[in-house]
Amino acid sequence: QSALTQPASVSGSPGQSITISCTGTSSDVGAYDYVSWYQQHPGKAPKLLIFDVTTRPSGVSDRFSGSKSGNTASLTISGLRTEDEADYYCSSFTTSTTWVFGGGTGLTVL
Amino acid sequence: EVRLVESGGGLAQPGGSLRLSCAASGFTFSDYSMNWVRQAPGKGLEWISYVNGRSDAKHYADSVKGRFTISRDNAKNSLYLQMNSLRDEDTAVYYCARDRPRGYCSDYWGQGTLVAVSS
Repeated sequence: QSALTQPASVSGSPGQSITISCTGTSSDVGAYDYVSWYQQHPGKAPKLLIFDVTTRPSGVSDRFSGSKSGNTASLTISGLRTEDEADYYCSSFTTSTTWVFGGGTGLTVL
Repeated sequence: EVRLVESGGGLAQPGGSLRLSCAASGFTFSDYSMNWVRQAPGKGLEWISYVNGRSDAKHYADSVKGRFTISRDNAKNSLYLQMNSLRDEDTAVYYCARDRPRGYCSDYWGQGTLVAVSS
């Protein structure tokens, strides 16, 4: 149950787009289309942004989008805003009937 | 409004036990699978346990298997985590989280309860 691999940090300027990668294996990310993404502000609970690789829950901005190719999933945030500054985590269901999170990526909006 | 409120955290000694509770409201609790997820200080999220609505499917992360037990009482709209043989590395904020129906992800989270394991 090794954590999925995410970059420790990314940054961008307001209005720009950034992409966060999430690399797993054929036993998790590559096995199912059950990748989700969460946003977490300091001291707060995580918030679901994307589920089933590409689907946004009701109420989540369409500036957030997800994709997957092979064992790597990605989260793209377009039109960056200062309030997007947070930690982002990917998660995947696995062939062991467990869930695994990525190590998290801190986004800085410069 | 969906609400999840964890309780039961606190200071425990290595080798000791704690029981966490999560009170759910605003939805039909028995219709939803539930998870426990933890976050060590300054670290990332770690999934630790799952239970389905009928309690006939339970899953655990290797890091807690054999030490932690998840359970639920649908009549009381409550989720529990019995934690035994606690270790220093179990120190974390523990969140309960509701699974989306067939979503393989958690759509609502509580605010968490802090467990500190130290002698």
